[in-house]
Amino acid sequence: DAKTTQPTSMDCAEGRAANLPCNHSTISGNEYVYWYRQIHSQGPQYIIHGLKNNETNEMASLIITEDRKSSTLILPHATLRDTAVYYCIVRGRGGSQGNLIFGKGTKLSVKP
Amino acid sequence: GAVVSQHPSWVICKSGTSVKIECRSLDFQATTMFWYRQFPKQSLMLMATSNEGSKATYEQGVEKDKFLINHASLTLSTLTVTSAHPEDSSFYICSATDLRGNYNEQFFGPGTRLTVL
Repeated sequence: DAKTTQPTSMDCAEGRAANLPCNHSTISGNEYVYWYRQIHSQGPQYIIHGLKNNETNEMASLIITEDRKSSTLILPHATLRDTAVYYCIVRGRGGSQGNLIFGKGTKLSVKP
Repeated sequence: GAVVSQHPSWVICKSGTSVKIECRSLDFQATTMFWYRQFPKQSLMLMATSNEGSKATYEQGVEKDKFLINHASLTLSTLTVTSAHPEDSSFYICSATDLRGNYNEQFFGPGTRLTVL
């Protein structure tokens, strides 16, 4: 079972920031938080990951709370092409702990 | 990022026939490949993990004799759906990773849509 809880769906206006929350209250000390997204009928695309520090790359920012029980993925200027299902995944390292277990994700709809 | 391809991108077959799906890592060597299945409006479900040169590890509930996985080289894994039935119609996605490094990111293929008539 997935170790994360995400809202089923969210809407965002084009050009505005999209903030996608994720709860992972049972995360253990050596587990990372990963974000992937899946555009309709395509394979998942890696976005970003982090352990405890906030992270930023060309796609998004990841804010992890100090207790690591929740995080937020931020798309700073959402475009229509960002419409997708976003998956927050808690992942360990090594062996089966490194497997990606997908939950239901959040369906983000970016509207003009 | 690294590129993973799948072939075919879609396939339609008759019930009772077998279908082979290929997953290739194009610019890196994949010690491990994963196979997922995704039914309409559902999330990805991990079917099996395959390590190069060894037998695949199947998730609970996945029939190993029905879903044959071969990972004979560091760049190719195949999934064969044997005696396919309409309930096997799904979107099959592979991912690949190189576990020899410290950073074992998984890269996903574009998926193969299987329709069994």
